[in-house]
Amino acid sequence: QSALTQPASVSGSPGQSITISCTGTSTDVGSYNLVSWYQQHPGKAPKLLIYEVSKRPSGVSNRFSGSKSGNTASLTISGLQAEDEADYYCCSYASTRRVFGGGTKLTVL
Amino acid sequence: QVQLQESGPGLVKPSETLSLTCTVSGGSISPYYWSWIRQPPGKGLEWIGYIYYRGSANYNPSLKSRVTISLDTPRNQFSLKVSSVTAADTAVYYCARDLVTTTTQFFDYWGQGTLVTVSS
Repeated sequence: QSALTQPASVSGSPGQSITISCTGTSTDVGSYNLVSWYQQHPGKAPKLLIYEVSKRPSGVSNRFSGSKSGNTASLTISGLQAEDEADYYCCSYASTRRVFGGGTKLTVL
Repeated sequence: QVQLQESGPGLVKPSETLSLTCTVSGGSISPYYWSWIRQPPGKGLEWIGYIYYRGSANYNPSLKSRVTISLDTPRNQFSLKVSSVTAADTAVYYCARDLVTTTTQFFDYWGQGTLVTVSS
């Protein structure tokens, strides 16, 4: 199975907004509204940020939002903060499989 | 609060079998799915497979021929075996709860991860 396609890196200044895309196929992202996003700081386990494309778990800042159109999902982070600097991964449900994106490194300038 | 903890050898020889166990505390194995996910050094996450609390399992097609995930419900544990390992199997291995219902799926609880190095 192929990984979902994410940009390798994005950057932004504090206070700005950035968007990370996650492109799959009609058998994963395009077929289900079950895309989740994870934030991973160096040396730490991934942390759930978004599930079901756009829902936030309790405790996750509303600066994080998600959307989907066709085979592409997106994560938007508004009001960038220094602590947002991390790696971000999308993941799609695909029936009996789960497919992760290759990951995007966010640099806060 | 559910907690997951991976355990097992940190060093495995090439061609041998990698074996890891995930112990779940603060909650029950039932009625959930449980996944293994790995991350080679400096690289992205790769889903390995999951096991359902009733014992059925599904695997990443790219690893299916070498992977087995099993369950020990009385001990609240599930395990991973990867056979015929090579250096490409060197990675941090995570266990995670795979929350699945008729309307949702996501990984909500993760272990801290354990580094397994394949080397002679």
